[in-house]
Amino acid sequence: AQKVTQAQTEISVVEKEDVTLDCVYETRDTTYYLFWYKQPPSGELVFLIRRNSFDEQNEISGRYSWNFQKSTSSFNFTITASQVVDSAVYFCALSEQNRDDKIIFGKGTRLHILP
Amino acid sequence: DSGVTQTPKHLITATGQRVTLRCSPRSGDLSVYWYQQSLDQGLQFLIQYYNGEERAKGNILERFSAQQFPDLHSELNLSSLELGDSALYFCASSPPRTTEAFFGQGTRLTVV
Repeated sequence: AQKVTQAQTEISVVEKEDVTLDCVYETRDTTYYLFWYKQPPSGELVFLIRRNSFDEQNEISGRYSWNFQKSTSSFNFTITASQVVDSAVYFCALSEQNRDDKIIFGKGTRLHILP
Repeated sequence: DSGVTQTPKHLITATGQRVTLRCSPRSGDLSVYWYQQSLDQGLQFLIQYYNGEERAKGNILERFSAQQFPDLHSELNLSSLELGDSALYFCASSPPRTTEAFFGQGTRLTVV
């Protein structure tokens, strides 16, 4: 079955610290996509990254980086040198391409960056 | 701005009533998804349409229905509303042959 688990419900770190948000997924498919979305206090959902199951290369975008490991079914997200503006709820999500490609979300991790 | 437009942004209505939420996808996107975000349930997938046809169904109640019109905009109809239906309802769209979904700003529904 398709499932995304974000075990960290809430995390607080002091500004400039690095923080990693964990994501573990379950799927029966060999072809799938993984996503991260950010939901700031204003409420909108902001797309951050999409990664397909055949591309295990880590990705870096500025202070953001993602570590995809199929062996452990994990797709973790790290923010380096965190800033107060990073405070938000972060969602990891999964879509099974061979089925109906609906996107299933984890319950989210609420990240507080303290000044 | 994701390019996905949802109206209205806020809606307050009484129990037992019926409301319609509207979504205009990004230009060229054929898929429309509806999600419900409540405090205790997270982001729940409701339903997906692709080019006017229902493609996938999630945890959508029988009191809820949706459709996608020939111009690709979509409507989510919620009827016999209950207090527990109060939530943020998101619409998302994605281009053909991709699952890169872009979300609208959401409609915050409050049932009183």
